[in-house]
Amino acid sequence: DIQMTQSPSSLSASVGDRVTITCRASQSISTYLNWYQQKPGKAPKLLIYTASSLQSGVPSRFSGSGSGTDFTLTISSLQPEDFATYYCQQSYRTSRTFGQGTKVEIE
Amino acid sequence: QVQLVQSGSELKKPGASVRVSCKASGYTFTNYAINWVRQAPGQGLEWMGWIATNTGNPTYAQDFTGRFVFSLDTSVSTAYLQISSLKAEDTAVYYCARAVVVTISGQNWFDPWGQGTLVTVSS
Repeated sequence: DIQMTQSPSSLSASVGDRVTITCRASQSISTYLNWYQQKPGKAPKLLIYTASSLQSGVPSRFSGSGSGTDFTLTISSLQPEDFATYYCQQSYRTSRTFGQGTKVEIE
Repeated sequence: QVQLVQSGSELKKPGASVRVSCKASGYTFTNYAINWVRQAPGQGLEWMGWIATNTGNPTYAQDFTGRFVFSLDTSVSTAYLQISSLKAEDTAVYYCARAVVVTISGQNWFDPWGQGTLVTVSS
């Protein structure tokens, strides 16, 4: 299986900060990479698909980049509703592995 | 709107079985596969596998063979997850999710997700 490693595992930030989360694949996955946001007690929600495409309805402060093995999710100006856990997921192989998650907390 | 609605929470004893349902609405059920994802308490997301809704063919992740069964009832646009011989470590929230696939490239993602079903296994 392809292993997905996110960093950091958690971070503290303030409203208005620029936040960057990294996801690394154990082998090249081209742009077969998706990002999800999960708030406590809620189901995950799709944010970014194919590494850089913004899902409809998702604010433009979210962006994704990368290809091959290294990917980034950026929140340009953190808002109160963005405090959540973020997961990357590879869709290159049939076994759709997720990263371990990055929890974004209020500083 | 496109949505997946799952059945309610379950409390089961070790050794029992449970069936979780996932009812789809707002789209043609047999055009999109359904995936299942587990989330143990305080843990991350773990992909369990998927079922092709046009053929009923299931694919299981390595850690989910044997006691886990995916099935369908296309007449009511519903997917099911059955877990048998329940163990305490099966306690988790189980999610279904629709797989959106771009046929030409094979790119795919999960959207939407069901609201989740908490299965608690305790004596």
